[in-house]
Amino acid sequence: NAGVTQTPKFQVLKTGQSMTLQCAQDMNHEYMSWYRQDPGMGLRLIHYSVGAGITDQGEVPNGYNVSRSTTEDFPLRLLSAAPSQTSVYFCASGGQGNTEAFFGQGTRLTVV
Amino acid sequence: AQRVTQPEKLLSVFKGAPVELKCNYSYSGSPELFWYVQYSRQRLQLLLRHISRESIKGFTADLNKGETSFHLKKPFAQEEDSAMYYCALLTGNQFYFGTGTSLTVIP
Repeated sequence: NAGVTQTPKFQVLKTGQSMTLQCAQDMNHEYMSWYRQDPGMGLRLIHYSVGAGITDQGEVPNGYNVSRSTTEDFPLRLLSAAPSQTSVYFCASGGQGNTEAFFGQGTRLTVV
Repeated sequence: AQRVTQPEKLLSVFKGAPVELKCNYSYSGSPELFWYVQYSRQRLQLLLRHISRESIKGFTADLNKGETSFHLKKPFAQEEDSAMYYCALLTGNQFYFGTGTSLTVIP
């Protein structure tokens, strides 16, 4: 069962580098979201999307971009990585309305 | 502002004892509240939501609007309940998660 596929699992970046975290779902959910998890902070919403072509900012959007060209994919882009973006990132599909949220396995990102 | 507070970072109970994980929220509108759980080496997953009023794996949670709480309860804890538990609030299109409570059930 695929559900939510999030890649990569681990990534080390140098300060100033850019990268894209991939997230794909096969459940036809309109709602998708990205979170970062930091020690003592819980999960914080970065960006979310309520459908293809529609994205919006969450609680901590600075330094991140998203796009939603298809229902299935919701990539998260770090434009110029900073050490403050060292975190564990989770993508989720669903969770709004009557749908259950399904989470990806997480990406552990280290920015040096 | 919308916020979720889970006052206990760590909670240990003995097997067979009752367990209560606390969650308080701050929201002026009508809240949608959830409990998510993450077992060791597994993905975060939905445990229950307040609108469905169901019991999952013996857990229940009642929304108390007067106390703005959504505490998670189970009368008899099992070892397999050991996990990280997150309370979450959905307001419109935005989710707010608490900082989580790590539950350990001692055999």
